Amino acid sequence: QKEVEQNSGPLSVPEGAIASLNCTYSDRGSQSFFWYRQYSGKSPELIMSIYSNGDKEDGRFTAQLNKASQYVSLLIRDSQPSDSATYLCAVKGQNFVFGPGTRLSVLP
Amino acid sequence: GAVVSQHPSRVICKSGTSVKIECRSLDFQATTMFWYRQFPKQSLMLMATSNEGSKATYEQGVEKDKFLINHASLTLSTLTVTSAHPEDSSFYICSALKGVFYNEQFFGPGTRLTVL
Repeated sequence: QKEVEQNSGPLSVPEGAIASLNCTYSDRGSQSFFWYRQYSGKSPELIMSIYSNGDKEDGRFTAQLNKASQYVSLLIRDSQPSDSATYLCAVKGQNFVFGPGTRLSVLP
Repeated sequence: GAVVSQHPSRVICKSGTSVKIECRSLDFQATTMFWYRQFPKQSLMLMATSNEGSKATYEQGVEKDKFLINHASLTLSTLTVTSAHPEDSSFYICSALKGVFYNEQFFGPGTRLTVL
């Protein structure tokens, strides 16, 4: 059973702080890694894709991948209340596998 | 990014009726689309993988005769919930796979189904 694990949260951070979201996966053959944001009552929205070890930055978001440790993370700098959502980690080996999501709450 | 649409966004129907949900990739072709169901405060649950021109692959526990999937073109997949019952009430979300080597999955806005 290929698994993707995330801390369910909620993770609460003050406005302006850095939010750190973590994800581990079991399938060593995984090649593609994604972070989705899902607001309550809405569908998931792709915010980052990462395919090689290291960091990938896009605006306030940085994805970090460590394939040896089977670990992928998402950092959100200068967190805003509008970042409050559930963040889903997804991993693709032979198939896509989604984690259960981490609920982030950014407090004004 | 990429745009995936779903129609209708919301539907209310009587128990025993059938409901069809359409999923379209608007600015790219998708040989593979996925159908998910999500109950309130729960994780996404993959129902089936829809491949253009072939039969859908259903996840374990999903009744293929109840949830009919048709992927007739590279931009359209449909999910028909047949003889709907109140327990089928849920948020149904489709997604489409974009890319050849590095695939990314883009989601439609979802369809909220309420069966009375």
